Amino acid sequence: QQQVKQSPQSLIVQKGGISIINCAYENTAFDYFPWYQQFPGKGPALLIAIRPDVSEKKEGRFTISFNKSAKQFSLHIMDSQPGDSATYFCAASIEYNTDKLIFGTGTRLQVFP
Amino acid sequence: DGGITQSPKYLFRKEGQNVTLSCEQNLNHDAMYWYRQDPGQGLRLIYYSQIVNDFQKGDIAEGYSVSREKKESFPLTVTSAQKNPTAFYLCASTGPAEPQHFGDGTRLSIL
Repeated sequence: QQQVKQSPQSLIVQKGGISIINCAYENTAFDYFPWYQQFPGKGPALLIAIRPDVSEKKEGRFTISFNKSAKQFSLHIMDSQPGDSATYFCAASIEYNTDKLIFGTGTRLQVFP
Repeated sequence: DGGITQSPKYLFRKEGQNVTLSCEQNLNHDAMYWYRQDPGQGLRLIYYSQIVNDFQKGDIAEGYSVSREKKESFPLTVTSAQKNPTAFYLCASTGPAEPQHFGDGTRLSIL
């Protein structure tokens, strides 16, 4: 019940295309859903996060879509660029209890020119 | 600039040897964490500490030890009991209602 399932494991997209990464969870107590971006040899950096009181959050080319009834959330990267090539992790936690941040297994995104 | 500093960036361990990974933060965060990252397995929590002089085991604590003598520092020791230590180790910290901030990791390999 603590797992966060992430797919796909890897994704190849052409420049200008849309990248979509999906995550699903079981624990209905989760109420904070961040996405992290990690470049090789670096630590993950927070990209965007959402709470379940909204169904969508957009920051620039990055959008989180959230479906509370299906217990699923996804990251959409519009107009994907080669600089977006990185590994993306979804995560979930119970707010203010960040010692229980549960990570997905990651998606390696490659954007080709 | 505030941040998390992990050192060294690369570390090699001989059989039967203990090694210590350093993590220092100047973000004035109370909570600090150690994760292990393996290909295809995401981040797994080793230990975490919410205040000085206190820490708790995470999901994969066996073969590891930590200390939290200062707010800024949370070193991780990989002991000889950890039979598969080769991995990328990440330290993180957080404050109240903040997301976790990560360092740039230490890659540990076996000689």
